[in-house]
Amino acid sequence: DAMVIQNPRYQVTQFGKPVTLSCSQTLNHNVMYWYQQKSSQAPKLLFHYYDKDFNNEADTPDNFQSRRPNTSFCFLDIRSPGLGDAAMYLCATSRGTGTYQETQYFGPGTRLLVL
Amino acid sequence: AQKITQTQPGMFVQEKEAVTLDCTYDTSDQSYGLFWYKQPSSGEMIFLIYQGSYDEQNATEGRYSLNFQKARKSANLVISASQLGDSAMYFCAMRGSRGGGFKTIFGAGTRLFVKA
Repeated sequence: DAMVIQNPRYQVTQFGKPVTLSCSQTLNHNVMYWYQQKSSQAPKLLFHYYDKDFNNEADTPDNFQSRRPNTSFCFLDIRSPGLGDAAMYLCATSRGTGTYQETQYFGPGTRLLVL
Repeated sequence: AQKITQTQPGMFVQEKEAVTLDCTYDTSDQSYGLFWYKQPSSGEMIFLIYQGSYDEQNATEGRYSLNFQKARKSANLVISASQLGDSAMYFCAMRGSRGGGFKTIFGAGTRLFVKA
């Protein structure tokens, strides 16, 4: 089955220690998104890639970076995690971004704990 | 500004009964899409159902239907014959235009508890 895969499902890191979360997809979608979701809140979009074009949200802290080496993979790098960065990180994909009809398909998420 | 409002933080429903989860939205766009997602405790956001602003018929997908009332700007999710596995967080989302492109925004969610 075509899907969005995130590894690891749980990640523990130390305050200030860089961490990378990964996402892969077999849907062959052009767009990959990263969302941050804190407990009992709506997902918050951090950024997205359309192919190799990176689109950052205006309020995404510089501490968060992303890489997309190819169509299938996308990484979220947190350069110096703080306690406030503990959250669920959701990766999503869609075919495109140019219409209101685009459905986003999500992976299972990675829960990040910062000690 | 675009906004999604889900006024029910939590809902209880008896197994096998129907339940309606409320969603209202605010937009000045003529073209927009409305989505519902289910998020179990495991964390994955599962796409349930889509309704386009020009769709005249209410969307249905199995036990899920979307009660779309455009004039009232509401897009309520109806789950028929609730099952224990329906216990989860449910998010209403809208995709509309922003800055020459489109963006999806999410409501705060409603947590549904299905009682045996």
